[in-house]
Amino acid sequence: AQTVTQSQPEMSVQEAETVTLSCTYDTSESDYYLFWYKQPPSRQMILVIRQEAYKQQNATENRFSVNFQKAAKSFSLKISDSQLGDAAMYFCAYRTPYYGGSQGNLIFGKGTKLSVKP
Amino acid sequence: DSGVTQTPKHLITATGQRVTLRCSPRSGDLSVYWYQQSLDQGLQFLIQYYNGEERAKGNILERFSAQQFPDLHSELNLSSLELGDSALYFCASSVGTGGIYEQFFGPGTRLTVL
Repeated sequence: AQTVTQSQPEMSVQEAETVTLSCTYDTSESDYYLFWYKQPPSRQMILVIRQEAYKQQNATENRFSVNFQKAAKSFSLKISDSQLGDAAMYFCAYRTPYYGGSQGNLIFGKGTKLSVKP
Repeated sequence: DSGVTQTPKHLITATGQRVTLRCSPRSGDLSVYWYQQSLDQGLQFLIQYYNGEERAKGNILERFSAQQFPDLHSELNLSSLELGDSALYFCASSVGTGGIYEQFFGPGTRLTVL
């Protein structure tokens, strides 16, 4: 079974600085998708960034980028120029393949709570 | 606003009761996923429907059931409620079931069982 592990329950960063959140996963599949979701105090789940496993190039969305290491099964999120609005829970998620009883549901890590200090 | 709506926003009930949570997907989305977020279990997948048919099951208790109606809205029924069922229940919708299709999450229903 696929698993997702976030080893940092809490992280803190100074405003305007850079922070990296870690995520590792376990799967026997070769094709899959990985995601980072942000959950602010409002509890809304917001997609931050997505990575397709068959793409070697790391995904980037403005101040957010990932370091995808497929062989190591590692998928970290880097937030540059941190802003107060980045404070939230961040969840790493793996999307199951579309076959064999799995229909693309997400498997989440336990989350990392990010605090941003002014 | 993701375009996915969930009602009610909050629900407080007693142990042993039954409740129904409702989800309306984004216009055009055929797939609906239900997730439970609790302090103990984190975020976990419960069940998925595609165009009215059940397609996948996760860690869903036998006391829980769901369905998707012809107008594509979905309902999650929770019965014989226990204290441990207190959680935030999300539904998410997507156009299809493949990984290329983004899942859009609703705002969630906060269930409190007293």
